[in-house]
Amino acid sequence: QKEVEQDPGPLSVPEGAIVSLNCTYSNSAFQYFMWYRQYSRKGPELLMYTYSSGNKEDGRFTAQVDKSSKYISLFIRDSQPSDSATYLCARLYGGSQGNLIFGKGTKLSVKP
Amino acid sequence: DTGVSQDPRHKITKRGQNVTFRCDPISEHNRLYWYRQTLGQGPEFLTYFQNEAQLEKSRLLSDRFSAERPKGSFSTLEIQRTEQGDSAMYLCASSLAGSWGYTFGSGTRLTVV
Repeated sequence: QKEVEQDPGPLSVPEGAIVSLNCTYSNSAFQYFMWYRQYSRKGPELLMYTYSSGNKEDGRFTAQVDKSSKYISLFIRDSQPSDSATYLCARLYGGSQGNLIFGKGTKLSVKP
Repeated sequence: DTGVSQDPRHKITKRGQNVTFRCDPISEHNRLYWYRQTLGQGPEFLTYFQNEAQLEKSRLLSDRFSAERPKGSFSTLEIQRTEQGDSAMYLCASSLAGSWGYTFGSGTRLTVV
């Protein structure tokens, strides 16, 4: 079983929609989670990181961690065509800062 | 350019040949990571360095793979006797120890024919 499970999509929404992207994780030993955005033929770029449970907001993006259900979510409000990309969730492995475990990524397309 | 730079961007090689990739991290970053990403998958950790010391290696890093960071600045990843299964995007990232802000390069896409 992969440690981070993510529905690969693809997910297609109209411009302006609220997007919900989700991951589940299996090992609750560590509490740091990240969301990365990856445009085609580019490396991933860090969007947000969260520690433990709760919400974190940054502009149109909200990251949420639910420890009890081992669920990680990213919400995008007022989605734009420029948000079309693959979104990767990741968790830090153990106590090392050198090892992120990524989900497969969800490919999002926002149609104008 | 203050980002992470990887060279080459694309590499096509014949099976059995050796290839070497280079990564230049952000200059003040002391940690450097290598990941591999295949189509439809998330990046998978290969190895990382703090300064010139290689601190962790994944079991994915077979003995055909070797990575170096001789002066704690740029790094090279070499694959010997390439196989078709090595075809992937090889991503380099860097960070400051203690920060969560990994910065990835655009990757080197390897195709083994």
